[in-house]
Amino acid sequence: EIVMTQSPATLSVSPGERATLSCRASQSVSSNLAWYQQKPGQAPRLLIYGASTRATGIPARFSGSGSGTEFTLTISSLQSEDFAVYYCQQYNNWPPTYTFGQGTKLEIK
Amino acid sequence: QLQLQESGPGLVKPSETLSLTCTVSGGSISSSSYYWGWIRQPPGKGLEWIGSIYYSGSTYYNPSLKSRVTISVDTSKNQFSLKLSSVTAADTAVYYCARHPTTVTRWFDPWGQGTLVTVSS
Repeated sequence: EIVMTQSPATLSVSPGERATLSCRASQSVSSNLAWYQQKPGQAPRLLIYGASTRATGIPARFSGSGSGTEFTLTISSLQSEDFAVYYCQQYNNWPPTYTFGQGTKLEIK
Repeated sequence: QLQLQESGPGLVKPSETLSLTCTVSGGSISSSSYYWGWIRQPPGKGLEWIGSIYYSGSTYYNPSLKSRVTISVDTSKNQFSLKLSSVTAADTAVYYCARHPTTVTRWFDPWGQGTLVTVSS
């Protein structure tokens, strides 16, 4: 089973600053990596897929990078609505399985 | 715009079977480009993929839950369903349904709003 580890568990950043969130896979997942944002009481929202492609309607301040085992989600200039929990998710081809990281809570500093 | 909506009992007794249905609107569940999946989230915790189904009925499951999970599809109703047997308190969670593509790189989008299922006597 591929284990996804996100760091840090909690990140405190001021509005307008840059946030960098990390996700590490226990073995290579190529570019099969997605990022989601979840706010309290809501379903997760897709932000990034294929490690670096923004989903439809996602602002340009969100960007994803990485391949293999190391991935990064960067939010260039934090807006108030960006404070939430962020999850990474990998897809493994065989056996076909999906696993999520444990999440990073992005909070206002 | 594609929408998914979960439905089913919010309370299930221990050892019984949890049954949920996801209704798809604004698009066809019979699309050859997508799978349909179930994901759950225990209160205050992270996300766990349960399993997925293709419109043809082909399924694949999380190995950790495989012995207790059955996912089925009803294309005439544009619905797919989840059954989880022998539930315990550890199965208490918000259950989401979501779509994911059949491409090499896969992600979940969109998601249903989720439904909380509590396992308690």
